[in-house]
Amino acid sequence: GENVEQHPSTLSVQEGDSAVIKCTYSDSASNYFPWYKQELGKRPQLIIDIRSNVGEKKDQRIAVTLNKTAKHFSLHITETQPEDSAVYFCAASIHSSARQLTFGSGTQLTVLP
Amino acid sequence: EAQVTQNPRYLITVTGKKLTVTCSQNMNHEYMSWYRQDPGLGLRQIYYSMNVEVTDKGDVPEGYKVSRKEKRNFPLILESPSPNQTSLYFCASSYVAGHPGNEQFFGPGTRLTVL
Repeated sequence: GENVEQHPSTLSVQEGDSAVIKCTYSDSASNYFPWYKQELGKRPQLIIDIRSNVGEKKDQRIAVTLNKTAKHFSLHITETQPEDSAVYFCAASIHSSARQLTFGSGTQLTVLP
Repeated sequence: EAQVTQNPRYLITVTGKKLTVTCSQNMNHEYMSWYRQDPGLGLRQIYYSMNVEVTDKGDVPEGYKVSRKEKRNFPLILESPSPNQTSLYFCASSYVAGHPGNEQFFGPGTRLTVL
C-alpha cells in the first residue's frame, strides 16, 4: 500500500520567516495530495490540496508544490504568524478524491514571536 | 451547519469492557472513516466505508469493528478494549468522488483511555 513520509517532525521559525514541510510518497498512482492543519486540541482541517495534473497551487500565504517524477510534495508558508503554530499533516490518495487517504506522521510547527 | 459529530468526547474504561463510539454526519457523504492518532505516528486508518453496508479494513483494524447500517452513522466498536487502544480517535467523512471542493471532514475526536 501507499506509504507517506513527512519531514521534519518539528520545525521552529521566527515570525515573518518562511516554513517548508516536505513529504514523499511511494505509490506512483497517487494523484490527490491534501494538507491538513491541526491546532492543539482541535480536529484536523484541510488548508490546501493539489491534484497530480498541477505542479503548484497557491492560496494567499500558503502554497503546495508537487514533483511527480520524484514523488514528493511540499507545503510552503510565507510570512509566518503565531497563529500558524500547529501540527501539519500531508496525505496522499490514488482515488483523485479525499477518500482513502494515507497520512504522513505530522510536523509540529512553532512560530516564535 | 455541515458537521461530523462523535460521542463520547472523552471516555475512561477498563480492559475488556465493550464500548461503542458513535459518529454521525449530516452532509450526505458516502465515504466515512475512522482513524486513531498517536504521538509520532500521525493518523492511521482503522476502517472505512464506501457506502451503506460496505466496509473495509484500513491499516490498523485489529481489535475494532464497525457497521454502516445508515448513510449518516458509522459507529466504532471495541468489543474487548485493551490498554494499547488508548488513543485519540477521529471519525471523518467525504464524498466518494465528483464533487467540487470535496474534502474529508473530521469529527471533534474522542479521547479514549483503557486502564
